[in-house]
Formats: sequence, structure tokens, C-alpha cells
Amino acid sequence: AQTVTQSQPEMSVQEAETVTLSCTYDTSESDYYLFWYKQPPSRQMILVIRQEAYKQQNATENRFSVNFQKAAKSFSLKISDSQLGDAAMYFCAYRTPFGNEKLTFGTGTRLTIIP
Amino acid sequence: NAGVMQNPRHLVRRRGQEARLRCSPMKGHSHVYWYRQLPEEGLKFMVYLQKENIIDESGMPKERFSAEFPKEGPSILRIQQVVRGDSAAYFCASSPSGSEAFFGQGTRLTVV
Repeated sequence: AQTVTQSQPEMSVQEAETVTLSCTYDTSESDYYLFWYKQPPSRQMILVIRQEAYKQQNATENRFSVNFQKAAKSFSLKISDSQLGDAAMYFCAYRTPFGNEKLTFGTGTRLTIIP
Repeated sequence: NAGVMQNPRHLVRRRGQEARLRCSPMKGHSHVYWYRQLPEEGLKFMVYLQKENIIDESGMPKERFSAEFPKEGPSILRIQQVVRGDSAAYFCASSPSGSEAFFGQGTRLTVV
């Protein structure tokens, strides 16, 4: 079974600085998708970024980028120029690309932005 | 195109009552997933449904919980004889096949 581990329950960063959230996963599959979701206090799950395992290039979305290390099964999220609105829980998630597309989530990292 | 709609947003039930949580997927989405989030934890998969079929219920507790996605109408997650441990946020996600899922805002169930 696939597992996703987020070893940082809480992180904080000064506004405008850069922060990196860690995620490791375990799978025997060679093809899969990885995601980072943001959950603000409203509880809405917001997709931040997605990475296909067959792509070597790291995904980027504006201030958000990932460092995908397939051999190490590591998938970290870097947030540049942190803003107050980035404060939220961040969840790393895994899913296979075929058939049943259920997501396996990590336990989350609570990110605090210090003004 | 409206997003995934879940209702109610908040639901309070006494122990032993039934809870019914509804999820209307996005237009054109035929796949529905239900997840449960206990306080201070990540989301845990419960069940995956397509129209009129349960595809994967490996995350569903064996007793008291059931789910359906009828040909017409929303998907329903039903919890019978609720207990305090059922208090959680329940999320629904929908997708067209082969694409990422879009989440609703969740239903927070409180059992008193």
C-alpha cells in the first residue's frame, strides 16, 4: 500500500521569505501523480500544484514550486515570497493515474506566516 | 459551472441518530470520492462511486456507514446510529475520469 509522510507538523516563515515543506512517499508503482493541497481555515481543499512522476521537470505555479526526487521518493514544496494568505495546512497527496483515482494524504504541515 | 456542492455545511446529531451527508458533483463529473478528516489529521479515503455503482469501499467502516450515488440526484453518505467518534469533517470530491478531483467545502459532523 502507498503511504505519504509529512514529518513537519508545523512550520513558520517570515513574510516575503522562502519556506520548504517536506514530503516523502512509498510506492512500488513507477507511474503516479503527486499533489500539494492547501487547506485554509475555511476548510476548502485547494489544489496548489501537481506533478506527474514520468516528467523529470519540476512543476511550478507562480510562487510555488516542487523538488521532485523520484529515486529518493521525495516531493517537497517551496513557497517563495511568502504572503499572509499562504497561512494554512498543507497536505501532500499521492494517487495512481489509472482506474481508481483515490488520493492518499499525508498528515499535513501547518504553515504560519510571521508579519 | 458550479463547484462541488456539499450540504449541510454543519450537522449536529445526538448519539444514536442518523446522519445524511449530500454531495452534488460538478456538472459532467461521474466519479465521486468521500473522505473523512478527523481533527488535526489528514484526509482518509472512504469510498469511491460511479453512477449507481460502488467501485471501492475499502476505507469505509464495515458497520453503520453506507454510500450511494444514484442515477439522478446527489451522492449520499449515510451514518446510522452515530457515536462521538464519528465527529469529523467529511469531504466529497468529484472528477471526470482520468483527471484530478475537485473538492467540496466539506460537512462538519458533530455528535453530542
